[in-house]
Amino acid sequence: GAVVSQHPSWVICKSGTSVKIECRSLDFQATTMFWYRQFPKQSLMLMATSNEGSKATYEQGVEKDKFLINHASLTLSTLTVTSAHPEDSSFYICSATTRTGASYNEQFFGPGTRLTVL
Amino acid sequence: GNSVTQMEGPVTLSEEAFLTINCTYTATGYPSLFWYVQYPGEGLQLLLKATKADDKGSNKGFEATYRKETTSFHLEKGSVQVSDSAVYFCALSGSSGSRLTFGEGTQLTVNP
Repeated sequence: GAVVSQHPSWVICKSGTSVKIECRSLDFQATTMFWYRQFPKQSLMLMATSNEGSKATYEQGVEKDKFLINHASLTLSTLTVTSAHPEDSSFYICSATTRTGASYNEQFFGPGTRLTVL
Repeated sequence: GNSVTQMEGPVTLSEEAFLTINCTYTATGYPSLFWYVQYPGEGLQLLLKATKADDKGSNKGFEATYRKETTSFHLEKGSVQVSDSAVYFCALSGSSGSRLTFGEGTQLTVNP
């Protein structure tokens, strides 16, 4: 299957700083990337849908000013956690896909980024 | 809306035991159904999928059959290995190819 990478794989930062996480589709052009958050021993919570060249669509309850998403090219989307606080500590996973008409094709997942805010 | 319900974990088995992880869903139309596996500290990997009723998805000894009459997609494996220890997620994608809806995940531990 297609390969999706994330960088960094883990990051530790101080409270109040901003952290950028990159999601790259390595061998295909992804029109759409999804960002998920996963709490320990829980399922994936969709945060936002990112379409190349347009603004991201955020799920209800997700602060768009805190979780900035940019999808500037067909192979790269970034998630920036601004003014991070300990409650933002989590495992962040991206996935990438393409569209056929209005339908999404199979999603390919990145390996995840572990964020720890001290 | 769409929803997925998985059997609660954790599940602990001995090597070579038979595995079943139940998954039922609620959706309109004809969704596609998936099982994903997440190994410790990693992202999700697609394990198998089925796109229409009565389809059987299979991979690495795992299989699941799309049962529309019971709205189920139970995951089975005849003989588990220690390396199968992971979290398993059942998921669906709506008939219009919409985004994924995940179940809660089931932690499987296989002891030697």
